[in-house]
Amino acid sequence: QLMVTQSPSASASLGASVKLTCTLTSGHSNYVIAWHQQRPEKGPRFLMKVNSDGSHTKGDGIPDRFSGSSSGAERYLTISSLQSEDEADYYCQTWDTGIRVFGGGTKLTVL
Amino acid sequence: EVQVVESGGGLVQPGGSLRISCAASGFTVTSYYISWVRQAPGKGLEWVSVFYRGGSTYFADSVQGRFSISIDNSKNTLYLQMNSLRTEDTAMYYCARENVQLGFFEYWGQGTLLTVSS
Repeated sequence: QLMVTQSPSASASLGASVKLTCTLTSGHSNYVIAWHQQRPEKGPRFLMKVNSDGSHTKGDGIPDRFSGSSSGAERYLTISSLQSEDEADYYCQTWDTGIRVFGGGTKLTVL
Repeated sequence: EVQVVESGGGLVQPGGSLRISCAASGFTVTSYYISWVRQAPGKGLEWVSVFYRGGSTYFADSVQGRFSISIDNSKNTLYLQMNSLRTEDTAMYYCARENVQLGFFEYWGQGTLLTVSS
C-alpha cells in the first residue's frame, strides 16, 4: 500500500538550515513526491515536486532557500537561511491511479 | 491567473447533506484533474476525492458511497455533494488543481469549513 511517512516535528535556529524527510513505502521508492507548506491558519501552498533522481521543480515564487533531493525511498526538503516565516507545517504528498496520499506532516519550529 | 475558490460550507446536523463548490478561473475544470482535500481541526491533510478530466472520479474509503462529484461547465465549477454526514466529516475542505501531467497539487484554494454537529 502506497504511503509516505514524516517525522512529526523538527526545529532549527533562525538563519540555520534544516532538512525534512519523507519516506516512501517499500516498493514505491521510485515515486515522485510533492512538498506543501501550510503556515498557521492558512491554506496549503505548493513548494516543489521531487523526483527519484533528486531533481526538483519548484512552484512559482518559491525562494531559492528551498531545495529538494532524494536518496532511495527518501525525499528531502532542505530550507536554508531559516526565517521566522518558515515556521509552518510541511506535508509531503504522492499519488497513484485513483489515489492521492499525504504524510502526517512535520511541524517546523524556528528557534 | 489560476485560481480555485471554495464556497458553501456551513453547519449541518449528523445524517444531513451539503454541497460545496470549487469555482475555477484561469483554466477549464474539465481539462485538469481536481481534488478535494480536507483537514479536521488540529489534524493533518486528508485526500477526499479526485475528478479526472476524462470524467472518472475516485474517493477515499472514508467517504466512498456518501460523497459524489458533479460539474457545471457553464460556471466552470466543480461540486462535492456530501450525504449521510458524520461528525468526523467536520473539517476545512480545500479544492486543489493538479499538475497537468502528474498527480500533485499545484494550486490550492483557501478552503470552506464544514461543521457536522447536532
